[in-house]
Amino acid sequence: DAGVIQSPRHEVTEMGQEVTLRCKPISGHNSLFWYRQTMMRGLELLIYFNNNVPIDDSGMPEDRFSAKMPNASFSTLKIQPSEPRDSAVYFCASSAGVPYGLSNQPQHFGDGTRLSIL
Amino acid sequence: AQSVTQLGSHVSVSEGALVLLRCNYSSSVPPYLFWYVQYPNQGLQLLLKYTSAATLVKGINGFEAEFKKSETSFHLTKPSAHMSDAAEYFCAVSDARPGGTSYGKLTFGQGTILTVHP
Repeated sequence: DAGVIQSPRHEVTEMGQEVTLRCKPISGHNSLFWYRQTMMRGLELLIYFNNNVPIDDSGMPEDRFSAKMPNASFSTLKIQPSEPRDSAVYFCASSAGVPYGLSNQPQHFGDGTRLSIL
Repeated sequence: AQSVTQLGSHVSVSEGALVLLRCNYSSSVPPYLFWYVQYPNQGLQLLLKYTSAATLVKGINGFEAEFKKSETSFHLTKPSAHMSDAAEYFCAVSDARPGGTSYGKLTFGQGTILTVHP
């Protein structure tokens, strides 16, 4: 079975450019999570969706960051304009999230996008 | 709010020695707990999960973890380390709880880098 698919795997761009990261969750999963990982701050949750609806975006660092999930099989994380401090590895994860916590499913992670802003 | 603390950002063991990675959690209700492993340039992979069925949980690659409510701990162990176990390990707690609303959000610890010496 295909896992979570992220693209691109690597992105190098200049400061000020728009960056779009893409994620395809596992089929049938209805919760999707975007994380950022850096040496200094570790793994940070940016935003998550359930049934394509954003539930909590309190981790999004600035208005320069935005995320969308137009359908159950696709999500994007956009940075506009990008800055050098946005350089990090960005992960997408999905899970069979349930509306009521009677059971719990793990999150499945993609291999990440390594973003470098020059 | 729940939280997770991993004691020791770096652990070094010899090949064949016992691996012990420590995790303590804080939660007002019985938690759902996870251990993930991250190999270089990859996403996080699920090692094992605790969902209250049994206090001793066996995972992949010979790892296991024991849930101890009295100590609020969920330490990860492996009897004999292998060179291929070198990676970063993350403990995580879910926001899911019986009868509550949850979308599968996880709170991660800071991670522990395991080094295995020949």
